[in-house]
Amino acid sequence: QVQLQESGPGLVRPSETLSLTCTVSGGSISPYYWSWIRQPPGKGLEWIGYLYYTGSTYYNPSFKSRVTISLDTSKNQFSLKLSSVTAVDTAVYYCARGGPRGVVDYWGQGTLVTVSS
Amino acid sequence: EIMLTQSPGTLSLSPGERATLSCRASQSVSSSHIAWYQQKPGQAPRLLIYSASSRATGIPDRFSGSGSGTDFTLTISRLEPEDFAVYYCQQYSFGEDWRTFGQGTKVEIK
Repeated sequence: QVQLQESGPGLVRPSETLSLTCTVSGGSISPYYWSWIRQPPGKGLEWIGYLYYTGSTYYNPSFKSRVTISLDTSKNQFSLKLSSVTAVDTAVYYCARGGPRGVVDYWGQGTLVTVSS
Repeated sequence: EIMLTQSPGTLSLSPGERATLSCRASQSVSSSHIAWYQQKPGQAPRLLIYSASSRATGIPDRFSGSGSGTDFTLTISRLEPEDFAVYYCQQYSFGEDWRTFGQGTKVEIK
């Protein structure tokens, strides 16, 4: 059974960089797409970006140049960095298997990241 | 960019009743590339249905999906207490779109 687990700080200061890691267990990184999706409190789901197991990355233009997603196949992990955060970036961040061009069949439990001074 | 509109926003029903949730697309969704997810409070979404009508692994048969083109439906034949949740549809037909999820329908206990 594939499991995903997000890790990283739950509090980030405004203007700083949000950094999260997703550890995949029970399955291989290949040959899948892997995504970061977020959900502001009380709101819907929003794609941040995703990568293919080869390392190719795809980012939601809404995040412009603030986002970087990377892969560490040796650790079965992929990571999210979102720079210059503001209060509107406060959300539950999910890592997931799949991307916007397919279904998302496995999700992490989600981690709440609050942007506040 | 394709837009998904889910209706109703909230559905108030009693256990044992039938729930019918709608997802309407602004353009035809090819190959019925529609999925449905269930999200309970404090939990991640869970995949229920893909390809408009195929149940994901382990999903009870009281959940069914149907539709084609621009109109899709998720039906819960008899609501169990654990089915009260928010349901999202997703289209995965348009390769360049990022707003692929509907806004959600909340099924609440009447």
